[in-house]
Amino acid sequence: DTGVSQDPRHKITKRGQNVTFRCDPISEHNRLYWYRQTLGQGPEFLTYFQNEAQLEKSRLLSDRFSAERPKGSFSTLEIQRTEQGDSAMYLCASSLGPGHLQETQYFGPGTRLLVL
Amino acid sequence: GEDVEQSLFLSVREGDSSVINCTYTDSSSTYLYWYKQEPGAGLQLLTYIFSNMDMKQDQRLTVLLNKKDKHLSLRIADTQTGDSAIYFCAENGGSQGNLIFGKGTKLSVKP
Repeated sequence: DTGVSQDPRHKITKRGQNVTFRCDPISEHNRLYWYRQTLGQGPEFLTYFQNEAQLEKSRLLSDRFSAERPKGSFSTLEIQRTEQGDSAMYLCASSLGPGHLQETQYFGPGTRLLVL
Repeated sequence: GEDVEQSLFLSVREGDSSVINCTYTDSSSTYLYWYKQEPGAGLQLLTYIFSNMDMKQDQRLTVLLNKKDKHLSLRIADTQTGDSAIYFCAENGGSQGNLIFGKGTKLSVKP
């Protein structure tokens, strides 16, 4: 039984570079969420997919951020022109879908980004 | 607006019980969750409670929910050094079912 996986686990980049992260949800999970967690804080919601449709974006998701889930399976999160303030842990979670226990979200190990 | 609050630190001795408290604001949440995060790792789902329940017990974990006061607690019986981690309370009050998290309570277990 594989859980949510994320790649890479760590990324160090220079300011101004673009980075892309990948998330593979638990198979058959229709919903996929991206969160960002900075030091000493809880995760904050960035965006959410129902199958391949991106249904909501947080105000935290600036124009430099884009997310896709082309076939309703894995998802990518790209940050263009990275800034030092983008340094954080990026967490992906998946759930079966709406309705009672199906809403429970399972998290991946995260991708830790450091922008120098 | 939506907000979840937790105390930031808790220190207990091995073998004692730990109680981590949380308050939330969104009364429309249907589920409340407890997640555990170890250093450098993602979030591990510990347990959850449906909003029409008062209590849920799962092995060493007991969750109490006071919906009137919007207060949630997690009790860990016979706390072990392996329980040292950050514990997050979360509600699914987001408009699309996204979770709203507290800042986390760092539990330190002393031998």
